[in-house]
Amino acid sequence: AQSVAQPEDQVNVAEGNPLTVKCTYSVSGNPYLFWYVQYPNRGLQFLLKYITGDNLVKGSYGFEAEFNKSQTSFHLKKPSALVSDSALYFCAVRDGGGATNKLIFGTGTLLAVQP
Amino acid sequence: GAVVSQHPSWVICKSGTSVKIECRSLDFQATTMFWYRQFPKQSLMLMATSNEGSKATYEQGVEKDKFLINHASLTLSTLTVTSAHPEDSSFYICSARPQGGLIGNQPQHFGDGTRLSIL
Repeated sequence: AQSVAQPEDQVNVAEGNPLTVKCTYSVSGNPYLFWYVQYPNRGLQFLLKYITGDNLVKGSYGFEAEFNKSQTSFHLKKPSALVSDSALYFCAVRDGGGATNKLIFGTGTLLAVQP
Repeated sequence: GAVVSQHPSWVICKSGTSVKIECRSLDFQATTMFWYRQFPKQSLMLMATSNEGSKATYEQGVEKDKFLINHASLTLSTLTVTSAHPEDSSFYICSARPQGGLIGNQPQHFGDGTRLSIL
């Protein structure tokens, strides 16, 4: 079965410092990976995806993620954190190649950026 | 682009009431929509996949008669929680995948969720 793991429940970082939110995956074929962000009492917002191509994927709000096949990781990064980046971040992998395109979500990582 | 509207955003009602939640794709057509449930400080749990013009596909453990899903058009799916009880209180989120293109490449776009509180 396909799965993703987010090993950190919470990440704390000071404003202006680089941030990393970790994600590892387990898939039987080629991975289709996604990052989403959720603000309090809101739905999820799409940040970026990896389907194929360059291992470094750039997304919204200055975020990027690096796909590493050998380490089966897809960590989310940002060079300089903002207080407004504080939110809940979910990594997800697409489950299977069928039309349903179900997403399997990780447990989420709460990012707290201190001023 | 790719906006999904979910309504209502907050519902408080008495036990035994049925509640309908709407999910609309405003600027794209979606053959497939998804309904999730999220408990506090937890991840999203997929409840069902809604396909336009056909029956929804429910995940294991989700009661079909309890959570009725209708996807009558390419822009609207509804979730009805029938005879709701306090244990049904949760945050319900819908998402929609744009029609066309490579299926796996399309990200899902999410609504803002509905907070359901059953007294």
